[in-house]
Amino acid sequence: DTEVTQTPKHLVMGMTNKKSLKCEQHMGHRAMYWYKQKAKKPPELMFVYSYEKLSINESVPSRFSPECPNSSLLNLHLHALQPEDSALYLCASSPSGSDPYNSPLHFGNGTRLTVT
Amino acid sequence: KNQVEQSPQSLIILEGKNCTLQCNYTVSPFSNLRWYKQDTGRGPVSLTIMTFSENTKSNGRYTATLDADTKQSSLHITASQLSDSASYICVVRSGYNKLIFGAGTRLAVHP
Repeated sequence: DTEVTQTPKHLVMGMTNKKSLKCEQHMGHRAMYWYKQKAKKPPELMFVYSYEKLSINESVPSRFSPECPNSSLLNLHLHALQPEDSALYLCASSPSGSDPYNSPLHFGNGTRLTVT
Repeated sequence: KNQVEQSPQSLIILEGKNCTLQCNYTVSPFSNLRWYKQDTGRGPVSLTIMTFSENTKSNGRYTATLDADTKQSSLHITASQLSDSASYICVVRSGYNKLIFGAGTRLAVHP
């Protein structure tokens, strides 16, 4: 079982809904990530948090809003999504906040999001 | 342009056979190269991470090689099992702190 826990596993939402994806890790990792993965494609980076501060935003539309309440939790707030936002959303973590990519990423199993 | 290209796109082998997956990259400057295994509907799991000075690294039945001169890596799977059926993703870290993902190789192991 993965040490990065994501909830919910599946989510169906309408274009006017507001929902949140949650991610939790208790490995003491100081960098956390959100990735988006479409079918048969590699993951695409969305956001990186280092020491609970947003360090990278890969020009993600504002309908996706990340939040890092503490070093163990990462949320992704969703509002007014489009059908093309349907994808697998992966959370990941790595030990170092100052050098996030120095170690392999630990991925969760993702949230399968469907926007109707 | 920084790119990671994997071949083949997909592969079918019989259980017990060996196979080799390829990864060519044009990432510069190079920092390290990782291989991940991703089961369907799950998150990727790290298999190996290799730096410039490492030629070979093993993790059980998985052996990764790296030729930094030709910018090529391979992942060799020995005595394949049904549970090896997955996508295998090659990821290169650039010296500018970016991770560049390959499109993956989808491996199917049949009984």
